[in-house]
Amino acid sequence: EAEVAQSPRYKITEKSQAVAFWCDPISGHATLYWYRQILGQGPELLVQFQDESVVDDSQLPKDRFSAERLKGVDSTLKIQPAELGDSAMYLCASTGGEATDTQYFGPGTRLTVL
Amino acid sequence: AQSVAQPEDQVNVAEGNPLTVKCTYSVSGNPYLFWYVQYPNRGLQFLLKYITGDNLVKGSYGFEAEFNKSQTSFHLKKPSALVSDSALYFCAVGRKDTGRRALTFGSGTRLQVQP
Repeated sequence: EAEVAQSPRYKITEKSQAVAFWCDPISGHATLYWYRQILGQGPELLVQFQDESVVDDSQLPKDRFSAERLKGVDSTLKIQPAELGDSAMYLCASTGGEATDTQYFGPGTRLTVL
Repeated sequence: AQSVAQPEDQVNVAEGNPLTVKCTYSVSGNPYLFWYVQYPNRGLQFLLKYITGDNLVKGSYGFEAEFNKSQTSFHLKKPSALVSDSALYFCAVGRKDTGRRALTFGSGTRLQVQP
């Protein structure tokens, strides 16, 4: 069964450092999402891509976060500089062509900022 | 704006007993609804979804959920709980009639099944 791949699984960094997370969606999935899940809460959308284009980044803190999906396949989420409050699970999900298609999630990257 | 409420932080049930995890939603337009399960330090696994049609939706691992439009609810149920069902459960809502497909999640309910 096809899965969404993410790396690294765990990342520990010091505040003010730069970090990057990678996601490879299920093959053929045009829509890719990055969510952030703070401990004890549900995931919240950071950015949505349709192919290589950003559809929604209204909740992305653009002063420090950036996301790209240059060839419309895999994607990178970057934080620079990292802050203590960025400690969270970063989840990537992908879905097919219909609005009601199921979103399939990767295993996530657990970020700890010291 | 859309929102999801999961009123119980934790649900405790004995193995073999039926379980219910509650979810209510608020959305303008036609909703579609999901349940996901999350195990420690893992991503979310899809359980089931309601798009249209029969209000009773059957999903993975024996779970089912009932869509109730008048009560704006989508409670998750299972006739007989297993210890292995112990996990964190999330309800999520999306809108059918928009290109913005991101889901809005509830805060989660921890299910604890005692042997």
